Amino acid sequence: AQSVSQHNHHVILSEAASLELGCNYSYGGTVNLFWYVQYPGQHLQLLLKYFSGDPLVKGIKGFEAEFIKSKFSFNLRKPSVQWSDTAEYFCAVIFNAGKSTFGDGTTLTVKP
Amino acid sequence: DTGVSQDPRHKITKRGQNVTFRCDPISEHNRLYWYRQTLGQGPEFLTYFQNEAQLEKSRLLSDRFSAERPKGSFSTLEIQRTEQGDSAMYLCASSPQGASGTEAFFGQGTRLTVV
Repeated sequence: AQSVSQHNHHVILSEAASLELGCNYSYGGTVNLFWYVQYPGQHLQLLLKYFSGDPLVKGIKGFEAEFIKSKFSFNLRKPSVQWSDTAEYFCAVIFNAGKSTFGDGTTLTVKP
Repeated sequence: DTGVSQDPRHKITKRGQNVTFRCDPISEHNRLYWYRQTLGQGPEFLTYFQNEAQLEKSRLLSDRFSAERPKGSFSTLEIQRTEQGDSAMYLCASSPQGASGTEAFFGQGTRLTVV
C-alpha cells in the first residue's frame, strides 16, 4: 500500500544547529512530494515541493529538500535553525492525481 | 483574506447529535479536499471534489459522513449521530485544476469535540 513515513516524531535542537528530518514513501511510480509546516495555532503551509527536474529543491525560510529516487526519500534540511522554526513538519506525497497522503509529522522544538 | 476559510473553528457537541461544517475554498480553485487529523497523526484523506463532482471517498468515511459541494463552490461536511471517536480536527483544502500534483492550500480547520 502507498504510505509515507517520517522517522522522527519529536526533535529538539538548539538555535544554530543543523536540521534534517527524514521522509520515506512506498510507491514505485511517479510521485509529487511536499513538505508542509504548521506553526502553533496556524494552518498548514507549504514549505517546498518537488514535481520534476533538479532533485534538490529550495523552499521558504532557508529550507531545502532532496529527492533521492533510489531511496524513496525526500528529506528536509536547514543548515541553521532558529527559535521561530519551532513547529510541526509534515511530509506529503501525491501518488495519484488529486489527493495528498501525509506522514504523521515531526514536532520540532528549537531552544533559544 | 482570500485563503481557505472554515466555519466554525470549534464545535462541541453531544454524542448522537448531527453536526455540519462549512468550507469556502480559494475562489478560482476547482478541487476541494476534506481531511481529518487527530493528535499525533498527519491529516488523513476523507474525500475530494472536482467542481461539484465528488470523485473519491476514503473508506474512513462511514455512512454517517456526507459531503457536498453544490455549484462547485463552498462545501459542507455533515456527520450524523456523532460518536466520541469523531473528535478530531477537520481540515479543508483546495487546489487549482492543472497538472497532477498541485499543492493544496489548507484552511485553519474545525475542531470537533464530541462529549
